[in-house]
Amino acid sequence: DTGVSQDPRHKITKRGQNVTFRCDPISEHNRLYWYRQTLGQGPEFLTYFQNEAQLEKSRLLSDRFSAERPKGSFSTLEIQRTEQGDSAMYLCASNMVGVGYGYTFGSGTRLTVV
Amino acid sequence: GEDVEQSLFLSVREGDSSVINCTYTDSSSTYLYWYKQEPGAGLQLLTYIFSNMDMKQDQRLTVLLNKKDKHLSLRIADTQTGDSAIYFCAESNDYKLSFGAGTTVTVRA
Repeated sequence: DTGVSQDPRHKITKRGQNVTFRCDPISEHNRLYWYRQTLGQGPEFLTYFQNEAQLEKSRLLSDRFSAERPKGSFSTLEIQRTEQGDSAMYLCASNMVGVGYGYTFGSGTRLTVV
Repeated sequence: GEDVEQSLFLSVREGDSSVINCTYTDSSSTYLYWYKQEPGAGLQLLTYIFSNMDMKQDQRLTVLLNKKDKHLSLRIADTQTGDSAIYFCAESNDYKLSFGAGTTVTVRA
């Protein structure tokens, strides 16, 4: 297993456009998380899935954001009508239920909204 | 809610020990973690400690946890230039991690 993969690594988009990111977790991990990291800050929790069920969404996740994990494997995060404030690194992580120390993070997708 | 604080910068001479400190507020934290992030990269888990422990050693890394004061520290012995990075303290009590803003460690020759 090559770890948690995220695609694309970088995305530049114009304000108002929609963007979609993909995360492929470690195959045996049943939990998948999305975090957002802005410059000079630590990552902030956005949402997580256990298998295909989305169990929590942060208040940071406005209704322009939607995440899915349709088959309990890979996940997508879509941002509609992007704003400059959406510019950040979007990090995906995965782990197994009950293994709290077993988080593995991907390398992230850096989004720049111009 | 969770709140994790850490000092923002640390400069250390190569070969010396580095100590990075962190305080947190959530007394129900189960695990506490130290992550390393190099420029343009994701987060690398360095070490973690379960909340019922007060110390953990792993090669050059020593983690100390004072649960009463909600204080966590990371000591890096014999600091090398490759240790230059941002170090994040994080805590969790079930699923989500709460991170500090990160400590930028600069190793000077």
